[in-house]
Amino acid sequence: DQQVKQNSPSLSVQEGRISILNCDYTNSMFDYFLWYKKYPAEGPTFLISISSIKDKNEDGRFTVFLNKSAKHLSLHIVPSQPGDSAVYFCAASAQTSYDKVIFGPGTSLSVIP
Amino acid sequence: ETGVTQSPTHLIKTRGQQVTLRCSSQSGHNTVSWYQQALGQGPQFIFQYYREEENGRGNFPPRFSGLQFPNYSSELNVNALELDDSALYLCASSFKERVGGYTFGSGTRLTVV
Repeated sequence: DQQVKQNSPSLSVQEGRISILNCDYTNSMFDYFLWYKKYPAEGPTFLISISSIKDKNEDGRFTVFLNKSAKHLSLHIVPSQPGDSAVYFCAASAQTSYDKVIFGPGTSLSVIP
Repeated sequence: ETGVTQSPTHLIKTRGQQVTLRCSSQSGHNTVSWYQQALGQGPQFIFQYYREEENGRGNFPPRFSGLQFPNYSSELNVNALELDDSALYLCASSFKERVGGYTFGSGTRLTVV
C-alpha cells in the first residue's frame, strides 16, 4: 500500500518555463512533507519542506503548495533550468514519528535547453 | 562537516549468500536510517537505529538486520540473499530531534546473481 504517490513517472519542460511536480498521500497522519532531488550516482538531497500548518512555502525558484483537504501537494520550479534535470521524490512524515520519512516513487524531470 | 559515506559502492553476490553494508553518519547526527531503492521506485524504509537500538522497521523480513555503533556508524546485514534484493541501498543520518533532516549517502549498489 503506497502511502505517498507520484503518478507522473516523468516530465519534460522547456528551459525558462514552469515545472510542476505533483504528489498525493493517503495517510491522514502525515503532517510534514518534503521534496528531495536525486542525481544519478548520488544520494537524494533535501530541497524544500512544508508543515501542515502552512499551505505554501517558498525558497528561491522552488515553491511547495499543500492542499490538506485533497491530500495533495505540488512543487513548482520557476524558471526551470537544465541543472534541475533530476529525479524528484515527494516524502512525508507524521508527528508521531517525524524522523521516519516515507518516500514516493519519484518523478524524473528533464529540462530541455 | 563530513557527509554520509557508504561502502562499498558496488557489490555482486550470489543468491543465498550474506552481505554487510557499511555507513558512516554525518558528524553530529545520532540516528541512522536504511532504505532500499529498487529500480524505478522510491526509497523504501527498512529500519532506523537510535542509541544503538532499532527504532522502527518497515515491511522487511528478519533476514534484514542492522547495527549502530557508539560512534553512530552503522551496518546493514542481509542473510540468505534473494534475486529481488538487488537494489540501491541508501543510508541516511539525521538528528532525531530535528524534523526530516536526512543526509543521504550515495548508496551501495547490490546485485544478486
